[in-house]
Amino acid sequence: EDKVVQSPLSLVVHEGDTVTLNCSYEVTNFRSLLWYKQEKKAPTFLFMLTSSGIEKKSGRLSSILDKKELFSILNITATQTGDSAIYLCAVEAGSNYQLIWGAGTKLIIKP
Amino acid sequence: GAVVSQHPSWVICKSGTSVKIECRSLDFQATTMFWYRQFPKQSLMLMATSNEGSKATYEQGVEKDKFLINHASLTLSTLTVTSAHPEDSSFYICSAQETGAGGYTFGSGTRLTVV
Repeated sequence: EDKVVQSPLSLVVHEGDTVTLNCSYEVTNFRSLLWYKQEKKAPTFLFMLTSSGIEKKSGRLSSILDKKELFSILNITATQTGDSAIYLCAVEAGSNYQLIWGAGTKLIIKP
Repeated sequence: GAVVSQHPSWVICKSGTSVKIECRSLDFQATTMFWYRQFPKQSLMLMATSNEGSKATYEQGVEKDKFLINHASLTLSTLTVTSAHPEDSSFYICSAQETGAGGYTFGSGTRLTVV
């Protein structure tokens, strides 16, 4: 059975700290791994990863995929209160490119 | 953990026909469910919020007569794409919010191709 597991489930840090969010997966016919930030009802797309070892960066956020060990990490440096959100990891897999979602990591940044 | 089942996972239909997509919460009750459409570059657009026992709330620009939403029970919401056209071809995703809880659980999506 395909599954995506995110850890930790929740995380509280102070502004300025660096955080690392984890996403591990076991799926059939992996296509890509996606990271989203959800603050309201619609998740905002962050990254799409398809190749191992290539870091993607956007400002203070970066992410990398390890297809051998079947996981990805999302790093946020110099965190700000606006980074508080639920971060979702989803894996595209199968012949229909279905999305298998993790449960999310709830990140709270304290001022 | 909470599971949302979405069916079908893949459908091809002829232009002008209607397609129904189901979103079920398998082990929890969901007063509120959400329907999204995935656009290029993986961005998700919220189409509507489905509320059990009442009319859905549609986002601006979404035709409610084209995308019919029914949330008849606490575990099932359906999205019917009526008179589908090729431009409706997309990946549709639902999510469910457990009654009384804050988290969202997402379905695996339905890939619709209109030919």
